Amino acid sequence: QSALTQDASVSGSPGQSITFSCTGTSSDIGTYNFVSWFQQHPGKVPKLLIYHVNNRPSGVPDRFSGSKSGNTASLTISGLQAEDEADYFCSSYTSSSTWVFGGGTKVTVL
Amino acid sequence: EVQLVESGGGLIEPGRSLRLSCSASGFTFGDYPMTWVRQAPGKGLEWLGFIRSKIDGGTTEYAASVKGTFTISRDDSKSIAYLQMNSLKTEDTAVYYCIRIISTGVRLVRGVLIRSYYFDYWGQGTLVTVSS
Repeated sequence: QSALTQDASVSGSPGQSITFSCTGTSSDIGTYNFVSWFQQHPGKVPKLLIYHVNNRPSGVPDRFSGSKSGNTASLTISGLQAEDEADYFCSSYTSSSTWVFGGGTKVTVL
Repeated sequence: EVQLVESGGGLIEPGRSLRLSCSASGFTFGDYPMTWVRQAPGKGLEWLGFIRSKIDGGTTEYAASVKGTFTISRDDSKSIAYLQMNSLKTEDTAVYYCIRIISTGVRLVRGVLIRSYYFDYWGQGTLVTVSS
């Protein structure tokens, strides 16, 4: 199972909205709505931001939203804040009953 | 409070075996599937495998990259998940995380009933360094 493909880096100014993508195949994202997004600050443990494409766990700000179209999932951060500067990883369940992660997107707040 | 604490990491020579433990507290461990993910220094996340809860058979699935060399098991009486790693290579150097899996029920996907899962709580990770 190949890794999901993510934009390597995205940047934005405080207050802006940014969207970045996670592309898979019909064997993962294209078939299953089991896409999650994780945020990881340097030296920290990844934290769940979004599960099942567009669901936020309690405590995650509604500035974070997820969507999916075909084989591509996307994460949007609205009203970008300095603390959103981090690495973001997507993951998806696959037809092999396994999971696969993306390579990560580095978000920089200008 | 949910807590997952990994242990067993350290420096080990190539070709040797190592068993990591993940001690859980704050929830009914036996009710939850568990998974292991690793992160090589400066790299992304790599899913390794998972073990279902006993009610779902306690069976395992693995990433192709570690199938046959890594084994996940669980001891529900002790609330511990294990990752047995054999024939370690330098490229296995990474921080290893155990993660609790949440099941949100069963879904019908393309005519097949499957259980829907997502990863929620992550442990702090344990560093495994494979080097001579």
